Amino acid sequence: AQSVTQLGSHVSVSEGALVLLRCNYSSSVPPYLFWYVQYPNQGLQLLLKYTSAATLVKGINGFEAEFKKSETSFHLTKPSAHMSDAAEYFCAVSLGVGVDEKLTFGTGTRLTIIP
Amino acid sequence: DAMVIQNPRYQVTQFGKPVTLSCSQTLNHNVMYWYQQKSSQAPKLLFHYYDKDFNNEADTPDNFQSRRPNTSFCFLDIRSPGLGDAAMYLCATSRVGSQRGADTQYFGPGTRLTVL
Repeated sequence: AQSVTQLGSHVSVSEGALVLLRCNYSSSVPPYLFWYVQYPNQGLQLLLKYTSAATLVKGINGFEAEFKKSETSFHLTKPSAHMSDAAEYFCAVSLGVGVDEKLTFGTGTRLTIIP
Repeated sequence: DAMVIQNPRYQVTQFGKPVTLSCSQTLNHNVMYWYQQKSSQAPKLLFHYYDKDFNNEADTPDNFQSRRPNTSFCFLDIRSPGLGDAAMYLCATSRVGSQRGADTQYFGPGTRLTVL
């Protein structure tokens, strides 16, 4: 079975400061990892995904994440926060096994940007 | 633009009155998913269709049913909604092949269900 743990249900950063959202995973096989963002009353939008091609993954809106197998982590970062980054962020893991491919989500981190 | 569409965006129903939520997609994806997301929680998978094959999660209540009449459309039926079924319902699609992969799930905007 696979799971993800997101440390910190709420994170606040000042506008222009570094954003760091933490995600640790547990998986019996090499996982596929995803970060999704959800704005209020909206669906989930893919920020980036790790597919084993490269450990540093660049996504949309200036976000990136680094896969660290030794730490079983896939933390999301952005060098400079913008007010529009305020949203809920979900880390998710998939085993990517054909028709039984399912996403298991973390509990989410709500990001607040302080002006 | 190719997309996942959910109608309605907001649905109000009465306790025990059947309700149907709809999802359509123009991505021509073979898999469609239904998630339930309660306030401040992660999305929880209810079931998914791989083509016409229905896959129910073990802990999905019998109150929840689904239909997929064709590739483009999928419906979520709640036979007798209770107060605990009030939530955001998200539809997602992906293209899954026979090889192991990391197919992205594309989400619709969701339908927020209120049960009075």
